[in-house]
Amino acid sequence: EAGVAQSPRYKIIEKRQSVAFWCNPISGHATLYWYQQILGQGPKLLIQFQNNGVVDDSQLPKDRFSAERLKGVDSTLKIQPAKLEDSAVYLCASNPGHLNSYEQYFGPGTRLTVT
Amino acid sequence: RKEVEQDPGPFNVPEGATVAFNCTYSNSASQSFFWYRQDCRKEPKLLMSVYSSGNEDGRFTAQLNRASQYISLLIRDSKLSDSATYLCVVSFNTGGFKTIFGAGTRLFVKA
Repeated sequence: EAGVAQSPRYKIIEKRQSVAFWCNPISGHATLYWYQQILGQGPKLLIQFQNNGVVDDSQLPKDRFSAERLKGVDSTLKIQPAKLEDSAVYLCASNPGHLNSYEQYFGPGTRLTVT
Repeated sequence: RKEVEQDPGPFNVPEGATVAFNCTYSNSASQSFFWYRQDCRKEPKLLMSVYSSGNEDGRFTAQLNRASQYISLLIRDSKLSDSATYLCVVSFNTGGFKTIFGAGTRLFVKA
């Protein structure tokens, strides 16, 4: 079974530029998560989708971050404009979405450096 | 107070040692508890779920104390390959299932 795919794996941009990340979850997984992991910290949830609807985006900085999952499958996360403090690894995870399915399956992440 | 707190370590132990990590959580309505393992520059992976009755998987034992709101992970007979960051994870339902990750505890096992 293919895992969660993410691209690009690495990205270096200057502050105030825009960037977009892509995630393709495990086939059939209804729930998709985007996390931000700053060096030395645990993953912080940015947004959670159930199919193509948003379940939780309370920690998403909506003035600069946006995310969509239009067809309930793959998803994109965008930052516009980027700040230095956005340097982090952006992890996508998915989960079957059943009541008793708790394990989250993570992709390899996109390492963003903002200079 | 952070929702999930862990001792960041690092814990430096020799091979064969027993090491224990603790994690505390603030939300008494928390329902599900997990330990994830994250290798350097890799993604987190589920190590084990934590149940009230405690559970064991080989050299790993997880315990939950709901009254004191903490969970623990015990690793016996440490191996070099156990070197990683161990993330404590707590989930609760607030109209939607919310998951909070701790900052992680780093473990180095040396020969």
